[in-house]
Formats: sequence, C-alpha cells, structure tokens
Amino acid sequence: DTGVSQDPRHKITKRGQNVTFRCDPISEHNRLYWYRQTLGQGPEFLTYFQNEAQLEKSRLLSDRFSAERPKGSFSTLEIQRTEQGDSAMYLCASSQRTFSIEAFFGQGTRLTVV
Amino acid sequence: DAKTTQPNSMESNEEEPVHLPCNHSTISGTDYIHWYRQLPSQGPEYVIHGLTSNVNNRMASLAIAEDRKSSTLILHRATLRDAAVYYCILATTMDSNYQLIWGAGTKLIIKP
Repeated sequence: DTGVSQDPRHKITKRGQNVTFRCDPISEHNRLYWYRQTLGQGPEFLTYFQNEAQLEKSRLLSDRFSAERPKGSFSTLEIQRTEQGDSAMYLCASSQRTFSIEAFFGQGTRLTVV
Repeated sequence: DAKTTQPNSMESNEEEPVHLPCNHSTISGTDYIHWYRQLPSQGPEYVIHGLTSNVNNRMASLAIAEDRKSSTLILHRATLRDAAVYYCILATTMDSNYQLIWGAGTKLIIKP
C-alpha cells in the first residue's frame, strides 16, 4: 500500500461547473477525512466517515458540497455549481478507528475555479 | 472551538536543535496535542502527539507543560529537509467524534 491517494492532483474548472474528487485511503483504515486548505492557512475540517457512515459535517460544508464513501472504501467529494471561493487544496486523510491515532494525508487536489 | 497560537515563522541553523512553541490555553482535559508538518506542495505529515506526559519518537520530542496550556516541539538536530510549516493541533472530541482543529502553523526556515 502506497498511502492515501487522491485524484486528480489538479483541476481547473469554470465557475458554475460541477467537479468530483476521489480519495483512496490506506486499505485497513476505517476513518476518512476531508479538509480544505487555502493559501497560507492550515487545513479546515469538512467532513469525516467511519466506514461508510458520514459522522460529522462542518458548518463550512454548504449544500453544494456532498461526500460519499460507498462500501467504506474510497470516497468522493463533489462540489456543485462551483464558485471562485471554492478554489483551494482539498485534502483527504485516513486513520485507524482508535481515537487519537495519527492521520495519513494524501497530496491533495488543487482546485482552481476561473 | 479550542485554538492554538504559534509564531508565524522561525529560523534555525542546520544541525542545531529547534524548539517550536505552541500555546493552547483553552485546552480541555481530554484534548490530545498533535503536531503535523507540511512540506511545500505536499499533504501534512504526522510528527508526534501526546496527552499529558512528554513524548519522544524518531522524528521529534514533545514537551507538554504541567498545566497543559502550552507545549513545545523539539527537533534535536535540524536538517534542511525539516524546513516546513509545523502545525500544533488539538484533537477535540465533539459528541464522541473526533476532528483536528488546525491553526495557521509556524513556517520553519533552516539556514545552511
């Protein structure tokens, strides 16, 4: 296993278009997290899954954002009707079920909305 | 929300120890203190974490104040590869769930 994988690494889209990102976590990890990071800032929590259940969603996650993790394996994050303010790095991380264990991050998907 | 405060940036010479401070005065009794670092164009990388006692691993040491309102990440011998943004984070439980709340981090500059 080579770690957490995210696809694509870069995405440029026009305002108003929908985009979908994929995250493949480390295979034995039950928890999967999505974060958003803008330039010069730390990551902001968006949502997380334990297996296929979405257990927590941030207030930052507007109705245009939706995340899924079918079968508790890979996850997708979709942004509908993108806005320029959605431009950011979207990071995925995974961890084992036990509380306070380290999380492993992917390299992120950089979204640019033009 | 629990928050951490870190210096925006720090400089250190190569091969010397580095002490990165973090204040977290609103920490609650069950919050863990995590440190991650992020190299340019990379996702964050776990460094170390602790609850009350000082911790050591192959990457660094974590010194936690007795009142837990501050902590210090110690890199014993910095190399150029340690140049990164270092984040001090509280792992906060909310309704039995768990999320990391990140600050802006400290940009560590290593001078050769």
